[in-house]
Amino acid sequence: AQKITQTQPGMFVQEKEAVTLDCTYDTSDPSYGLFWYKQPSSGEMIFLIYQGSYDQQNATEGRYSLNFQKARKSANLVISASQLGDSAMYFCAMREGYGGSQGNLIFGKGTKLSVKP
Amino acid sequence: NAGVTQTPKFRILKIGQSMTLQCTQDMNHNYMYWYRQDPGMGLKLIYYSVGAGITDKGEVPNGYNVSRSTTEDFPLRLELAAPSQTSVYFCASSVPGQGIEQYFGPGTRLTVT
Repeated sequence: AQKITQTQPGMFVQEKEAVTLDCTYDTSDPSYGLFWYKQPSSGEMIFLIYQGSYDQQNATEGRYSLNFQKARKSANLVISASQLGDSAMYFCAMREGYGGSQGNLIFGKGTKLSVKP
Repeated sequence: NAGVTQTPKFRILKIGQSMTLQCTQDMNHNYMYWYRQDPGMGLKLIYYSVGAGITDKGEVPNGYNVSRSTTEDFPLRLELAAPSQTSVYFCASSVPGQGIEQYFGPGTRLTVT
């Protein structure tokens, strides 16, 4: 069963507008973490934001925020005030358990975001 | 700190050839990982290691081998390369902890023809 689902293969957003990238996950482990990575056309993986399953508040990092809805098992990434440099692939990933053999990341298939000037 | 470094950046192999992808990290991280990324897809875990001398299989280990003789190095060996192994390979490292992200290397783009 697919554990991380990103249903938007591609998204367009106008520069300076906000955009939400969807991510749903599936796990029976009460302890898990959710990550978002950005992959620009140059290919590197850039960590953006993290949300723990026990965190009470939604994570925020600058222009990035995570809309965490635990009951719905969703962890959507919100990018505010989009910039041209935000054009990239965005991957949602999950880590089950606490480190060790359970510390591996499971990735979704990604969403390609294109920011229009 | 250089972080996670990978060599080579690009490689073309013929079917049946073998090669080793090198990965080194200078952050003293215990955990290291190898992923592959096929076109248009997310990353899939090949092998991982939680410390020197300890390795374990991930989701897609067939056709690969790893070793971890030191904390810093985690080479990935491809034996008898096949076209299905054409992919971009990422090495990553981290320390234990739920909220700790994995640090990725720049990737190696491998083509098997």
